[in-house]
Amino acid sequence: SYELTQPPSVSVSPGQTAGITCSGDKLGDKYVSWYQQKPGQSPVVVIYHDSKRPSGIPERFSGSNSGNTATLTISGTQAMDEADYYCQAWDSSTVIFGGGTKLTV
Amino acid sequence: EVQLWESGGGLAQPGGSLRLSCAASGFTFSSYAMSWVRQAPGKGLEWISGVSGTGVFTYDADSVKGRFTISRDNSKSTLFLQMNNLRAEDTAVYYCAKTGALDYGSGSFLDYWGQGTLVTVSS
Repeated sequence: SYELTQPPSVSVSPGQTAGITCSGDKLGDKYVSWYQQKPGQSPVVVIYHDSKRPSGIPERFSGSNSGNTATLTISGTQAMDEADYYCQAWDSSTVIFGGGTKLTV
Repeated sequence: EVQLWESGGGLAQPGGSLRLSCAASGFTFSSYAMSWVRQAPGKGLEWISGVSGTGVFTYDADSVKGRFTISRDNSKSTLFLQMNNLRAEDTAVYYCAKTGALDYGSGSFLDYWGQGTLVTVSS
């Protein structure tokens, strides 16, 4: 079965740029979405179709996907961005989630 | 405003059954595929089942095949998850989520999520 691999944790200083990776076999051939989940809350999509931002998501969130790696980039990271982030793709009639990355600001 | 409200969670015994419901509002329910996603305590997200907008096509994760059944009643804008032969490892918060399209495929993503309902499987 297809797997998406994320680093368990990423740390960033306020105002700096954070990058969270998601790797999978030929992932660049698939669309990737990213979800943010804060403690006690439901997930929220922050990036879909590799790089599109839903309405209401700040411009500091961006995404890219090429080769075997997709990346969620948060520019000018703020304290409110501290959360768990999950990548997601579709493969063989199933929705696949990465294991999640805890972002510490 | 899109709203998804899950219900039906609670305590179940191993081998028992539960039926979850998700009441939807704020969008044309029959036009969108829907999913159930669960999250065990302190763990990550696990997609378990999906159903197309028409209800004709269903998709399941291997972990629940043969035990869980997803369905929908478009006349009542409600999504269901029938869970049979429950195991301790099914203990989780179960989320109902909406997709952005009529059916699943490349590019499928979950654009709205409910607040979740807790299922605890224990004797």
